[in-house]
Amino acid sequence: QVQLKETGPDLVQLTQTLSITCTVSGFSLTTYNVHWVRQPPGKGLEWMGAMWNGGGTDYNSAFKSRLSISRDTSKSQVFLKMNSLQTDDTAKYFCARHVTIAAPFDYWGQGVMVTVSS
Amino acid sequence: DTVLTQSPALAVSPGERVSISCRASEGVNSYMHWYQQKPGQQPKLLIYKASNLASGVPARFSGSGSGTDFTLTIDPVEADDTATYFCQQSWNDPTFGGGTKLELK
Repeated sequence: QVQLKETGPDLVQLTQTLSITCTVSGFSLTTYNVHWVRQPPGKGLEWMGAMWNGGGTDYNSAFKSRLSISRDTSKSQVFLKMNSLQTDDTAKYFCARHVTIAAPFDYWGQGVMVTVSS
Repeated sequence: DTVLTQSPALAVSPGERVSISCRASEGVNSYMHWYQQKPGQQPKLLIYKASNLASGVPARFSGSGSGTDFTLTIDPVEADDTATYFCQQSWNDPTFGGGTKLELK
């Protein structure tokens, strides 16, 4: 069955770099796209970026050059790296599967809660 | 960015019908999707492309709309439907509404 699982740190220091891994099973990263979405505590959802099945990426301009998404297809993993973390980056970070342009996110990971601490 | 606007909260009694609205700042054709999120859980897809029921979702849920105005309807509402409901457009770079928290009286 389709599964996505995020792993990463619970706590990151102010101005440091966040690294999260999304490990998928039940589908291929060369067939499906994987996106990153985050949710600050008690707030709404924010799209961060995408790893397309062809290997390209797209990013929300709100994250400017802070964000990088990559993958290792042999390990079925997609990686999120974001630098210069601030306290308002405290959020639950989700990865989600996406079939094609204009489609919804049909499967989501359980998310990983990351707190940025000073 | 396409801004999606939802009412923050609604309260209904079990057995009633509820409609949750989502208004887009620009037309998104029919590329609007709806998710249910319960506390501590990930979002779950309910409706895709405005009116299509996702797999395994009860027929009590339905969606309608096109262009800028969309509605998620639950009829009848059950106790387990207590959750926050988000709309999301995929016509442009994905954006989400702020969510509507549904509470039962």
